[in-house]
Amino acid sequence: GENVEQHPSTLSVQEGDSAVIKCTYSDSASNYFPWYKQELGKGPQLIIDIRSNVGEKKDQRIAVTLNKTAKHFSLHITETQPEDSAVYFCAARGSGNTPLVFGKGTRLSVIA
Amino acid sequence: SAVISQKPSRDICQRGTSLTIQCQVDSQVTMMFWYRQQPGQSLTLIATANQGSEATYESGFVIDKFPISRPNLTFSTLTVSNMSPEDSSIYLCSVGHPGNTIYFGEGSWLTVV
Repeated sequence: GENVEQHPSTLSVQEGDSAVIKCTYSDSASNYFPWYKQELGKGPQLIIDIRSNVGEKKDQRIAVTLNKTAKHFSLHITETQPEDSAVYFCAARGSGNTPLVFGKGTRLSVIA
Repeated sequence: SAVISQKPSRDICQRGTSLTIQCQVDSQVTMMFWYRQQPGQSLTLIATANQGSEATYESGFVIDKFPISRPNLTFSTLTVSNMSPEDSSIYLCSVGHPGNTIYFGEGSWLTVV
């Protein structure tokens, strides 16, 4: 089955700097890669996703890149703000009705 | 997007008791899943809730401990049976359609004492 590795487990950046979180997956049939942000006391909120027919997707300060050959995808947050502090999870999913498989999460701290 | 309502949002339960968590979606969805998130951990899939038939459980999760119902395309329940402190977790309902975005509810935060 699918296995998703996520790095780093914790990340501290200065406000205004960029943050990058990386994930690798094992199943070459996976074709959907979402990123979720989980704030304290809340459920995971989808922030961006990418499908296997696209190499990069951007939404304001957030971008995701996908390298299918290498089976890895990354989340990029530019101009970080204190409210970006949260736990971020990557996930991967194959075709059809298969469920998401999650990475172990990255705790991002943005220091003002 | 789908709006997902989970009840209860939080509960404190006595060990040995059972609790049923409800997941209600504002539109019909093909897929419904239940995840567990233990304190400080990632999300682990418990089972896929299948409409009108038995749920499909992941390794390490069994129907006697986590019975699931899904009577229609907008509603599902997860029961945590004979609870112990190790069951203290967030239980999350997740929904979507094949090939499309997967959404999560806010979770049900259970503490077993």
